[in-house]
Amino acid sequence: NAGVTQTPKFRVLKTGQSMTLLCAQDMNHEYMYWYRQDPGMGLRLIHYSVGEGTTAKGEVPDGYNVSRLKKQNFLLGLESAAPSQTSVYFCASSLLSGSMDEQFFGPGTRLTVL
Amino acid sequence: AQKVTQAQTEISVVEKEDVTLDCVYETRDTTYYLFWYKQPPSGELVFLIRRNSFDEQNEISGRYSWNFQKSTSSFNFTITASQVVDSAVYFCALSEALYRDDKIIFGKGTRLHILP
Repeated sequence: NAGVTQTPKFRVLKTGQSMTLLCAQDMNHEYMYWYRQDPGMGLRLIHYSVGEGTTAKGEVPDGYNVSRLKKQNFLLGLESAAPSQTSVYFCASSLLSGSMDEQFFGPGTRLTVL
Repeated sequence: AQKVTQAQTEISVVEKEDVTLDCVYETRDTTYYLFWYKQPPSGELVFLIRRNSFDEQNEISGRYSWNFQKSTSSFNFTITASQVVDSAVYFCALSEALYRDDKIIFGKGTRLHILP
């Protein structure tokens, strides 16, 4: 099993450009999460999904959109990138709700917005 | 409000020393869950432990141990006989069951350096 994978690993964007980050898991998990990690800020939840076809806002959702069309995939979109979105993005999944269960994390995507 | 405080931003100890990472939490709920995650230099977060609020028994796993004290709202993590491979950022996290919305709140992390 690959676990949780993220594509791409690194990306540089110019302000105003758009992009999509892909998260895939092969563990048949219901719950999936997108976090961003900034220096000194810990991990902050952007959006999450409790099952195929569902999405919900997290702590810092502004400027991002997500989709969960397939159970194994969770996409994070930036429609018009801003320098404040420079961060490391982590995807995670869990069998049960991540508020009670272990979350499995991907390797992260380092995004720089110039 | 739900909150996790890891007051130690960065700690350095010499290999084989014991080290304790502090975690203090705030919650409005009587039923909640506490977690510790490890982020090694490779970057990927790894789950270490989960504890629910009704289980105050301390846990030991090899060189790792956790001390959960509801009276002081703390869930501290101790590494005994530290090793260089323990160097990482450690995150404490909290979720509330009653107000649960499938989310957990992470502390800002403690960066641990184990010096050879």
